Amino acid sequence: DQQVKQNSPSLSVQEGRISILNCDYTNSMFDYFLWYKKYPAEGPTFLISISSIKDKNEDGRFTVFLNKSAKHLSLHIVPSQPGDSAVYFCAAISTGTASKLTFGTGTRLQVTL
Amino acid sequence: AAGVIQSPRHLIKEKRETATLKCYPIPRHDTVYWYQQGPGQDPQFLISFYEKMQSDKGSIPDRFSAQQFSDYHSELNMSSLELGDSALYFCASSVIGEMNTEAFFGQGTRLTVV
Repeated sequence: DQQVKQNSPSLSVQEGRISILNCDYTNSMFDYFLWYKKYPAEGPTFLISISSIKDKNEDGRFTVFLNKSAKHLSLHIVPSQPGDSAVYFCAAISTGTASKLTFGTGTRLQVTL
Repeated sequence: AAGVIQSPRHLIKEKRETATLKCYPIPRHDTVYWYQQGPGQDPQFLISFYEKMQSDKGSIPDRFSAQQFSDYHSELNMSSLELGDSALYFCASSVIGEMNTEAFFGQGTRLTVV
């Protein structure tokens, strides 16, 4: 049962444009969401998080939007850079259990010149 | 800034041997997670600890065990190693709060069982 889903396995965006990565979840007990960037054979790199009591969090080029009623969140990267090319995972935590990061399946972003 | 430290970075063991992986979380983080990532696969959750107590268990084989010590470092012990245990093992630590929620991963330990 995939509680966190990223329905787009890949995304290609031109340099300088906006990248939008989407994530849906089913467990209404999740109350914190995180985005990670991952290169092959390396550990995931934390990018940004958002609490379920917020609908937006911004950090530099990264903005995460949360639509709790739709159980949907998205990561916006503006402007996209070639170094952003990686696999992006969203993850969720339920503080009720406070025990595990539940990951989505990942979206491979390629930023082209 | 301090990050999550994992040791060793690489480990080669023979079948049926034992391996111990270590993880040193970020200071003030209260939760430690262990993940296993096989070639071409997504990270699979193994086990987690909250304030030194096991808090959740995923798809961890009975041959594996883990604990978190008083200094908050954690060790994953793997016995009777099998070829299929060859993977990247990641440790992560997190803290959750209204003002600051973060979870960081270590660089991983690559275990090769021959």
